[in-house]
Amino acid sequence: GQNIDQPTEMTATEGAIVQINCTYQTSGFNGLFWYQQHAGEAPTFLSYNVLDGLEEKGRFSSFLSRSKGYSYLLLKELQMKDSASYLCAVRDRDYKLSFGAGTTVTVRA
Amino acid sequence: ETGVTQTPRHLVMGMTNKKSLKCEQHLGHNAMYWYKQSAKKPLELMFVYSLEERVENNSVPSRFSPECPNSSHLFLHLHTLQPEDSALYLCASSQETGTGAETQYFGPGTRLLVL
Repeated sequence: GQNIDQPTEMTATEGAIVQINCTYQTSGFNGLFWYQQHAGEAPTFLSYNVLDGLEEKGRFSSFLSRSKGYSYLLLKELQMKDSASYLCAVRDRDYKLSFGAGTTVTVRA
Repeated sequence: ETGVTQTPRHLVMGMTNKKSLKCEQHLGHNAMYWYKQSAKKPLELMFVYSLEERVENNSVPSRFSPECPNSSHLFLHLHTLQPEDSALYLCASSQETGTGAETQYFGPGTRLLVL
């Protein structure tokens, strides 16, 4: 089966930077996704990486190293509304999506 | 409405009840999914439908029965559930291309409690 690991919880201060790491072992690789999920709401798509390197989208950036089976999501200039769960998901050779358990980020004033 | 919608948002049922969850996508996608999300656990894929045909059933107990009447609608019929089936049930949709499914977009989920 697939194995996707990410920290359970992280806490940071408003205006700071937080980096959420994700390591994975899957049967083949066809892309890595990051989703944001606020409590009681739908996961919403944040970013997609299929090639090595950094993808930047405003305050959010995602990095991928396929050889290391590693990705991170970088949240800059943290705002209170960024308090949420962040889900790492990897698509395998069969295009099946497997999720990590999620990282709950708490932003404090 | 836009995106992916799910009804009901909350459901409480006894173990002998029969209920159905409904999902509708307004994105013109051709694939739909059911996931189960339990506290502190990864999302678990339950069913995948592509072009209205079921292509994957991840060894889900028969007390969960999916139905996909068309590419925009997906149902999950529930009967004789167990308390451990209490969870958030998420529906998602995507556009399958010749090179594989694109990004999945999720509905808000149905919070199910089985007593």
